[in-house]
Amino acid sequence: GAVVSQHPSRVICKSGTSVKIECRSLDFQATTMFWYRQFPKKSLMLMATSNEGSKATYEQGVEKDKFLINHASLTLSTLTVTSAHPEDSSFYICSAATTRADYGYTFGSGTRLTVV
Amino acid sequence: GESVGLHLPTLSVQEGDNSIINCAYSNSASDYFIWYKQESGKGPQFIIDIRSNMDKRQGQRVTVLLNKTVKHLSLQIAATQPGDSAVYFCAETFSGGYQKVTFGTGTKLQVIP
Repeated sequence: GAVVSQHPSRVICKSGTSVKIECRSLDFQATTMFWYRQFPKKSLMLMATSNEGSKATYEQGVEKDKFLINHASLTLSTLTVTSAHPEDSSFYICSAATTRADYGYTFGSGTRLTVV
Repeated sequence: GESVGLHLPTLSVQEGDNSIINCAYSNSASDYFIWYKQESGKGPQFIIDIRSNMDKRQGQRVTVLLNKTVKHLSLQIAATQPGDSAVYFCAETFSGGYQKVTFGTGTKLQVIP
């Protein structure tokens, strides 16, 4: 139980285009999801907290207009990287909070974004 | 700002030996701590957690110790196996709702066969 599915696992896009990443909680409802970014050999950096039915809360320094987050249902949150540039290339990971005490915060498998 | 950090960036351990990964946290208000394992190209995998009202918690081959006095966490892995090779992160957050999780810098565990 407590499975989070993230799609796609890898994506390559051209500069200037937009890319959407989906994060789904498969067997539980997640009113809150989190989006992280991870650079090579670095830790996870929280980008934003996504709440179902309301606006996301972004961390300081994260551009709201570049990283659009939509949490339209209790099982789906999406991150759209708009007008992507090579510096947006990174590993993006979502997490969903569950009340299952033995699972803590469950993470998706991540999306490797490469902007060329 | 508040942060969670690790003492050792890389740890090499002989297969079969025990591993100890340490973590220092700075936010004394944090009351929920989690250890994650991350393999290359994958998302973090939950290993074990501990709340601030405990000082020790055991799982299968893993034990987490919490010392609130010095704000220190450790993850002990018994009889380390090659499959344990990965990067390990400690993370801190707050209980009582879905709070954001702050990750430490990570320790790479290398198991020598």
